[in-house]
Amino acid sequence: DTGVSQNPRHKITKRGQNVTFRCDPISEHNRLYWYRQTLGQGPEFLTYFQNEAQLEKSRLLSDRFSAERPKGSFSTLEIQRTEQGDSAMYLCASSLSSGAYGYTFGSGTRLTVV
Amino acid sequence: GQQLNQSPQSMFIQEGEDVSMNCTSSSIFNTWLWYKQDPGEGPVLLIALYKAGELTSNGRLTAQFGITRKDSFLNISASIPSDVGIYFCAGAPYTSGSRLTFGEGTQLTVNP
Repeated sequence: DTGVSQNPRHKITKRGQNVTFRCDPISEHNRLYWYRQTLGQGPEFLTYFQNEAQLEKSRLLSDRFSAERPKGSFSTLEIQRTEQGDSAMYLCASSLSSGAYGYTFGSGTRLTVV
Repeated sequence: GQQLNQSPQSMFIQEGEDVSMNCTSSSIFNTWLWYKQDPGEGPVLLIALYKAGELTSNGRLTAQFGITRKDSFLNISASIPSDVGIYFCAGAPYTSGSRLTFGEGTQLTVNP
C-alpha cells in the first residue's frame, strides 16, 4: 500500500485558467476528503465522499469548485476561473467509514495562481 | 471557516526540554486528534482521543481530552531535533469518519 497519492505536487497557473487535481486514496478506504490549507493556517474542510456519493460540501466550496469520485476510487478536484485567493495547498485524505479516525493524508498539491 | 484556538503559535526550545501546547473550542467535540505536519507534506496522525477525560500516550507524546469536551492538550517530553514541525489539534463531532476542524497550529523549533 503506497498511501494516499496526489498529483500534481505543484501547479502554477495564470488567473482565469482552470485546473484539475487528482487524488488516489488507499485502496480499501471508502471515504475520501478534500481539505484546503493556506500558509500559516490549519487545513479547512472542503468536501467528502463515501464511495461515489458526495455526502457533504463546505460553504468554502464555491460554484467554481467541483469534485468528483466517479467510480468510488480516485477523485478529482477542479477549480474553474482560478483567482489569486485560490493559491493554497489542497490536501486529500482517505479513511474507512467505520471505526476510529484512520485518516491518512496525501502530500498535497500546492497551487499558485499568478 | 471555523477554527480551533491553539496556543502557543510557536515555541523555541532546547533539546531535552518538555513541551506543552493546547487547544480550546467554543463548541463541544466528541473526538480530539493531534497531528504533526512536516514542510511540504500532509499532516500525520499522532494521537486520537475519544472520551472526555481520556489521557493517552504514544511514546514521548501524551495528550488529554478535556472533561468539558471543549479542550485538549499535547505534551512532548524530552524533545529531540526530529520533533521539529507544526503540530495541529483537530476536533470532530462524531467518533468516526466525518469532517475535522483544525487549529491554526503550533510551530515547534528544537535547538540541539
